[in-house]
Amino acid sequence: KAGVTQTPRYLIKTRGQQVTLSCSPISGHRSVSWYQQTPGQGLQFLFEYFSETQRNKGNFPGRFSGRQFSNSRSEMNVSTLELGDSALYLCASSPTGTAYEQYFGPGTRLTVT
Amino acid sequence: GQQVMQIPQYQHVQEGEDFTTYCNSSTTLSNIQWYKQRPGGHPVFLIQLVKSGEVKKQKRLTFQFGEAKKNSSLHITATQTTDVGTYFCAGHTGFQKLVFGTGTRLLVSP
Repeated sequence: KAGVTQTPRYLIKTRGQQVTLSCSPISGHRSVSWYQQTPGQGLQFLFEYFSETQRNKGNFPGRFSGRQFSNSRSEMNVSTLELGDSALYLCASSPTGTAYEQYFGPGTRLTVT
Repeated sequence: GQQVMQIPQYQHVQEGEDFTTYCNSSTTLSNIQWYKQRPGGHPVFLIQLVKSGEVKKQKRLTFQFGEAKKNSSLHITATQTTDVGTYFCAGHTGFQKLVFGTGTRLLVSP
């Protein structure tokens, strides 16, 4: 089986812009979760989608949003980018949810200048 | 809010020495997962513990979930250079939100 894929792998944006990141889960996995990883804050949970519905959400501002499509692919969007949004954004998929083994993608490295 | 701390933050050992990282939560967890992230890589699932006092072994790795389900540990016997990376614990709170620990970075010198 192919692993979790994320596009793009690297992105440079300017403050105030918006960005959309994409994640394709492992075939058959219905849960997709998103995480932000920074040296200062570590790995932080953004949100989880299951069967196109947001099932759980972390403590991030409303500028961070996501969605999941019927084929389980997911996108996350960050609007009005701030310098502090520079991070590695990781997507993880699981057959049923975060309560079980999660398979992470390689991540998207976002730099905001 | 919910916090999961890991100690130590960093440890440098000689190949063959043992290593232990401890994970401590401010609240009870329904389960605990452990992940390993190699430098420049992404987290890879190692194991999940669910029961109070549970102990699981994977070759040289031993994982333990505390009796109160608020702490966990990962012990590596006779480290190898391939063990290099950052080890994260992650647990679910009562609201089923997954919270990752702060991570322990392990460096192994040959």
